[in-house]
Amino acid sequence: DIQMTQSPSSLSASVGDRVTISCRASQSISRYLNWYQQKPGMAPKLLIYAASSLQSGVPSRFSGSGSGTDFTLTISSLQPEDFATYYCQQSRSTSFGGGTKVEIK
Amino acid sequence: QVTLKESGPVLVKPTETLTLTCTVSGFSLSDARVGVSWIRQPPGKALEWLAHIFSNDEKTYSTSLKSRLTASKDISKSQVVLTMTNMDPVDTATYYCARIRIGQLERLAFDYWGQGTLVTVSS
Repeated sequence: DIQMTQSPSSLSASVGDRVTISCRASQSISRYLNWYQQKPGMAPKLLIYAASSLQSGVPSRFSGSGSGTDFTLTISSLQPEDFATYYCQQSRSTSFGGGTKVEIK
Repeated sequence: QVTLKESGPVLVKPTETLTLTCTVSGFSLSDARVGVSWIRQPPGKALEWLAHIFSNDEKTYSTSLKSRLTASKDISKSQVVLTMTNMDPVDTATYYCARIRIGQLERLAFDYWGQGTLVTVSS
């Protein structure tokens, strides 16, 4: 099974900050990597697919990069509505990372 | 408009079998470009993928839970059913169904999700 490791597990940031979240796969997954945002009490929402493609309707401040085993989700300027937990998911065989909670500083 | 909705028991006893139904609308379970997955999330914990089912009836299961899971679909009813046997308190979680979008770039992504249903396992 492919293990997905996210870092950090949580972070505190201020509105306007640039935020970077990392996701590492235990073996190469090419660019089969998706990112989701989950707010409390809600279902996850697809943000980024295929490592760097922006899902329709998602603000352009979200971006993704990486290939192979190392991937990054970047929020260029954190907005109040972005405080949430973010998950990576590999689609080579399907598994999720442990999540990164983005909190208000 | 694509929607998915999970239904099933709120409470199950240890050793019982859980049966969950996902009723979909806005797309067909016979569409080769999509599928349906089950994903769960214990309270305060991360997402865990459980199973996929596709239009050709191909099914894939989590390695760790494979012996306990069975997925099926009824195209005429637009429903996908998941059964999980021998339930244990550690299986307490919110269970989601999600639509799989099959793509050349992403291989698969979960582009629409149900609201989730909380299942508690307790005697």
